[in-house]
Amino acid sequence: EAQVTQNPRYLITVTGKKLTVTCSQNMNHEYMSWYRQDPGLGLRQIYYSMNVEVTDKGDVPEGYKVSRKEKRNFPLILESPSPNQTSLYFCASSLLGGSNSPLHFGNGTRLTVT
Amino acid sequence: AQRVTQPEKLLSVFKGAPVELKCNYSYSGSPELFWYVQYSRQRLQLLLRHISRESIKGFTADLNKGETSFHLKKPFAQEEDSAMYYCALSEGGGGADGLTFGKGTHLIIQP
Repeated sequence: EAQVTQNPRYLITVTGKKLTVTCSQNMNHEYMSWYRQDPGLGLRQIYYSMNVEVTDKGDVPEGYKVSRKEKRNFPLILESPSPNQTSLYFCASSLLGGSNSPLHFGNGTRLTVT
Repeated sequence: AQRVTQPEKLLSVFKGAPVELKCNYSYSGSPELFWYVQYSRQRLQLLLRHISRESIKGFTADLNKGETSFHLKKPFAQEEDSAMYYCALSEGGGGADGLTFGKGTHLIIQP
């Protein structure tokens, strides 16, 4: 089954403790992206990747890192999480990244930083 | 579980014609509905939210709880409206919990 898989679904952590949220897709998509969703703000893009070893900042990249060593995986790394990074995170992928390529979303990761 | 259905994968209309992108949802509570848009070579962005009851770029969308629909409408389509449109549902409470997306509708406006 074609899907985007995020792990974990829920995570509670403390300030400053490094964490990684994984994202994997099995559709051989070139484009992958991370978003966060906050009340009243909708989705905001954190980082995106057009292909392996090609990543770029989105609207709110501060405090986050990503890597794209393989096509299928696009982990989101928080080196030193802070409470303002408490949010709902979505990973998405598409074949080519343009408006002709529908986005496929993961189920989301609910992160709480205390 | 909540579900969002966008029945049309592709919708093509002529410039100046009315546009309606359909979105139906299933959810037992009080949802918050969104429309997102992705223009060519640009990132996904929020178009409008039902609680704002606003018109953005000439688009409007009314939440119809009886029909569980949140169709996106524009009376006169323009070429720059060509894009991919996603309907999304949040479980309410300010959109803090759970977001479910439809599969998207690719809108093409022909000159």
